[in-house]
Amino acid sequence: EAGVTQFPSHSVIEKGQTVTLRCDPISGHDNLYWYRRVMGKEIKFLLHFVKESKQDESGMPNNRFLAERTGGTYSTLKVQPAELEDSGVYFCASSPWTARGEAFFGQGTRLTVV
Amino acid sequence: QQQVKQSPQSLIVQKGGISIINCAYENTAFDYFPWYQQFPGKGPALLIAIRPDVSEKKEGRFTISFNKSAKQFSLHIMDSQPGDSATYFCAASENTGFQKLVFGTGTRLLVSP
Repeated sequence: EAGVTQFPSHSVIEKGQTVTLRCDPISGHDNLYWYRRVMGKEIKFLLHFVKESKQDESGMPNNRFLAERTGGTYSTLKVQPAELEDSGVYFCASSPWTARGEAFFGQGTRLTVV
Repeated sequence: QQQVKQSPQSLIVQKGGISIINCAYENTAFDYFPWYQQFPGKGPALLIAIRPDVSEKKEGRFTISFNKSAKQFSLHIMDSQPGDSATYFCAASENTGFQKLVFGTGTRLLVSP
């Protein structure tokens, strides 16, 4: 069974540009989460989808970040326009619709804004 | 404000030794405390988890000790091996049924041969 897959693995963009990160969760997992780790700091929650609906987006830093989950399958996280402080590793995780189902993480996308 | 504080930031242990990583939390609504292991280039993977109704949970060489009154929990790795070298994250979540995890800052463990 394929795990959580994220694209791209790395992205280097200039300040002011737009970047879109993609996450393919494990098939059948209704819950999808985005997290971010800024260098040396903790991994921080960004938002949570249940199927195609946003359950909790309290961790989204500002309105330059837009997350979507088309048809309850894959998800995208767009940053527009990117700022230097957006650099970090963005993780996606998915879990099944069971009480406290384990969250499985993707390998992350390392975003560098220069 | 960091809700889960983790220490040490890095740790070097000799092969066969015991690795100990500590975490402390503030939010008394937390009721699920997992530890994640991350190897370079990979995402975090669940290692072991505990709920506050028990004070200790052991899985193989990995043990979580939990002190509810002190709001602290720790990971012990017995007989540490070079293959255990990784970054370890403690985390916590509230009883919402979902995996909205609050992570510590991570501990980079190096087990020397």
